[in-house]
Amino acid sequence: QKEVEQDPGPLSVPEGAIVSLNCTYSNSAFQYFMWYRQYSRKGPELLMYTYSSGNKEDGRFTAQVDKSSKYISLFIRDSQPSDSATYLCAMSGRPLTGGGNKLTFGTGTQLKVEL
Amino acid sequence: NAGVTQTPKFRVLKTGQSMTLLCAQDMNHEYMYWYRQDPGMGLRLIHYSVGEGTTAKGEVPDGYNVSRLKKQNFLLGLESAAPSQTSVYFCASRTQETFFGQGTRLTVV
Repeated sequence: QKEVEQDPGPLSVPEGAIVSLNCTYSNSAFQYFMWYRQYSRKGPELLMYTYSSGNKEDGRFTAQVDKSSKYISLFIRDSQPSDSATYLCAMSGRPLTGGGNKLTFGTGTQLKVEL
Repeated sequence: NAGVTQTPKFRVLKTGQSMTLLCAQDMNHEYMYWYRQDPGMGLRLIHYSVGEGTTAKGEVPDGYNVSRLKKQNFLLGLESAAPSQTSVYFCASRTQETFFGQGTRLTVV
C-alpha cells in the first residue's frame, strides 16, 4: 500500500465550478502538507503549504488538513481554464527548512476546466 | 533569474549506453534533489544532496550515481541504461520552497 493515495482522474469540470481534490495518507508522522500544480511538460510548482490540521486560504485556493482522518483537500473556487493541470499532493514529517527533508508525493490528479 | 535548469530536455538512449543529466541552479540553494516521474507512480526521489560535496540515496537509487562538486550543480549519471529507466527526470533545489526544473524526458530502447 502506498503511503499517499490520490485519485488520478481525469476530473473534468465546467468553468466557474468549485473543484475538490483530495489525498489520503497512512503515515501518522506526516506534519507538513503541500499542493503542487504541474502543467503539461513542465515541472511542479508549489501552490499551498500547510502545517498540521486546519485550513489555509490563498485567493481562489483553500487547503484543508484533517489529521484525525489522514485526509487533505485542495478546493479551487471559480475554476478557470488556466487551472487545467495535474495537481500533486506532497507531505513530510519535517518542516521545509532543514537538511535531508524528503517529500512523499501522491500520483497526481489531472484536472480539466472546460469553457 | 533562470531558477533550476536541466540539460538535456530530451534524450533517447540504447540499452547499455551511459549518460549524465546536468542540473544547475542560480539561487544559492544548499539542498538539491533528483526525482523520476512515472505514470501511476508519482514523483520518486532518486538521490539528494544537502550541500557541496555531499550526496545521499533516496527511495529508488539503484542504477544511478550522482555528484555535487559545485554548489550550483547536481549531476545524475546512468552508467548502463536499462529500459526500466525510461522516465521523466526532475531536478529540484530549495531553501524552504522547492523549485523544480523543466524535466528531462529519457527513453531507453
